[in-house]
Amino acid sequence: EVQLVESGGGLVQPGGSLRLSCAASGFTFSDHYMDWVRQAPGKGLEWVGRIRNRANSYTTKYAASVGGRFIISRDDPQNSLYLQMNSLKTEDTAVYYCVRGLYSRPLYYFDYWGQGALVTVSS
Amino acid sequence: QLVLTQSPSASASLGASVKLTCTLSSGHNNYAIAWHQQQPEKGPRYLMKLNNDGSHTKGDGIPDRFSGSSSGAERYLTISSLQSEDEADYYCQTWDTGIRDVVFGGGTKLTVL
Repeated sequence: EVQLVESGGGLVQPGGSLRLSCAASGFTFSDHYMDWVRQAPGKGLEWVGRIRNRANSYTTKYAASVGGRFIISRDDPQNSLYLQMNSLKTEDTAVYYCVRGLYSRPLYYFDYWGQGALVTVSS
Repeated sequence: QLVLTQSPSASASLGASVKLTCTLSSGHNNYAIAWHQQQPEKGPRYLMKLNNDGSHTKGDGIPDRFSGSSSGAERYLTISSLQSEDEADYYCQTWDTGIRDVVFGGGTKLTVL
């Protein structure tokens, strides 16, 4: 059974940093692209960023709203995904979901989601 | 620019059927999408991948009550024999091959009466 479990959420002041982790199990983690998607309170889903697999050089891509502030990394032997969030703003307040990406031409989509981790940016 | 448009809300009675719509912006009629369900206070769950020809591939454990279809720029999610647990937000999602980015629709909140 595929499982994605996020941790590390919490309250942080504007300008601060926070690191989210995602523990993956039930599939060959190293084969897959992995993404982060967030949802602000009462709002819809917003893609945050992606890290590709080793075969694609672990390249990353970010949404314009977080580029330069957020960094996605992974540890394949530990089956773990990370989201380092720096220079946090109040508008980054959201539930952050770890998601498994799947490319089935011509669509890239998410076939498994975590339960989410709440990040609150407030003074 | 690729945009997915969904009605903000829909409602149907327990035991009835409902058809939710996701509309692709002009010039993108051939795009496939994915449907995701988000029950209250839970993370989203992948329902199915839906191609422009109406063929679809469902996720693990998704009941037969959920089906997909396509017509032109419209992508549909039909839920039959509605149950109380189907009350949820439903999001469509696609992949913009031009800018190579994920696109989400705004979501439809389904109320089961």
